[in-house]
Amino acid sequence: DTGVSQDPRHKITKRGQNVTFRCDPISEHNRLYWYRQTLGQGPEFLTYFQNEAQLEKSRLLSDRFSAERPKGSFSTLEIQRTEQGDSAMYLCASSLATGKQFFGPGTRLTVL
Amino acid sequence: AQTVTQSQPEMSVQEAETVTLSCTYDTSESDYYLFWYKQPPSRQMILVIRQEAYKQQNATENRFSVNFQKAAKSFSLKISDSQLGDAAMYFCAYRFTQGGSEKLVFGKGTKLTVNP
Repeated sequence: DTGVSQDPRHKITKRGQNVTFRCDPISEHNRLYWYRQTLGQGPEFLTYFQNEAQLEKSRLLSDRFSAERPKGSFSTLEIQRTEQGDSAMYLCASSLATGKQFFGPGTRLTVL
Repeated sequence: AQTVTQSQPEMSVQEAETVTLSCTYDTSESDYYLFWYKQPPSRQMILVIRQEAYKQQNATENRFSVNFQKAAKSFSLKISDSQLGDAAMYFCAYRFTQGGSEKLVFGKGTKLTVNP
């Protein structure tokens, strides 16, 4: 256990529904990242927060994706109008300025 | 663009033997960080080892060590005295920083099997 938690661990939804995932980073970490991992691939970067500021959002993310980190603590990732291509593992990581990112267990999303 | 290449989709090793996983990367930066992460089946990603590019000395963490060749842009992971618990996907990653943002760029991974 790295100290980063994610909820839920699994989510099954129907196409067109909205889903929201939560990430709780290690408490003293001010940097938070979201990645997406599909089967047989390495994680791909989605977005980065430093404290509460979202400093980068990948071009992989369509307008249906939004992420927040209110008060620089936990973060949420919302996907609106889900599509089958959104099925993946969504990973959250946190770090200090050292650059060592610690990952959570992920949320596995299945869109039917 | 920064890219990370792991040319070995799968590797196998006998328990107690040594195995080396390969990784190459492309960057125009002179100072950066490289990482190896381990992802056991259905379990979370674990940081194995970190290398800072400005350090000439290769990083080591117990049975894990790296061979960092900066000029060749090569960053291999050596696992000594392999154990059954080492079986996992191993990902090489490059820390990319630009304009106040940062991210890890991952390779596609190498699946390591440890045979008893």
